[in-house]
Amino acid sequence: QKEVEQDPGPLSVPEGAIVSLNCTYSNSAFQYFMWYRQYSRKGPELLMYTYSSGNKEDGRFTAQVDKSSKYISLFIRDSQPSDSATYLCAMTTGYALNFGKGTSLLVTP
Amino acid sequence: NAGVTQTPKFQVLKTGQSMTLQCAQDMNHNSMYWYRQDPGMGLRLIYYSASEGTTDKGEVPNGYNVSRLNKREFSLRLESAAPSQTSVYFCASIKGGTGEEKLFFGSGTQLSVL
Repeated sequence: QKEVEQDPGPLSVPEGAIVSLNCTYSNSAFQYFMWYRQYSRKGPELLMYTYSSGNKEDGRFTAQVDKSSKYISLFIRDSQPSDSATYLCAMTTGYALNFGKGTSLLVTP
Repeated sequence: NAGVTQTPKFQVLKTGQSMTLQCAQDMNHNSMYWYRQDPGMGLRLIYYSASEGTTDKGEVPNGYNVSRLNKREFSLRLESAAPSQTSVYFCASIKGGTGEEKLFFGSGTQLSVL
């Protein structure tokens, strides 16, 4: 069993929709949780970083961590075509990050 | 603001050939990483260097070697390339090697082994 599980999609939504992306994990020692966005033929870029359980908001993006359920989510409000990308969750106990396989998101105008 | 620079961006090799992927960062980061990304497999860690002078194996180290040449540079070498090593390779770096800090990625090297 992979330590981090993420549905690869693809997920297609109309512009303006609320998007929910999720990951589950098995290692209870993970302390830091991140979401990366990756456009085609580019390197991943950090979107959100959280440490504790709860919600963290940044503009249209909200990251949610539930350590008791070993479940993290990324919500995108008022989705835009420019949000079309692959979203990777990542988590770590300290050094190397463990990544999910990524969810491909397409926001259609 | 260069960040993490990888060369080359594209490379085609024949089976059995060798090559070195170069990576350099100008952010004074301590830790550097090499990942490969394959369709359906996500990002997988090949090797990492927590600090200058140290290297450690990641999830998929077989067929690769690394050198942390100095604090800025971390190279990945394929001694005898195989078709299974066809992939996109990403170098990344982080300030302190803790999860509290942002992992910066290079733009990737697309490698094809025929």
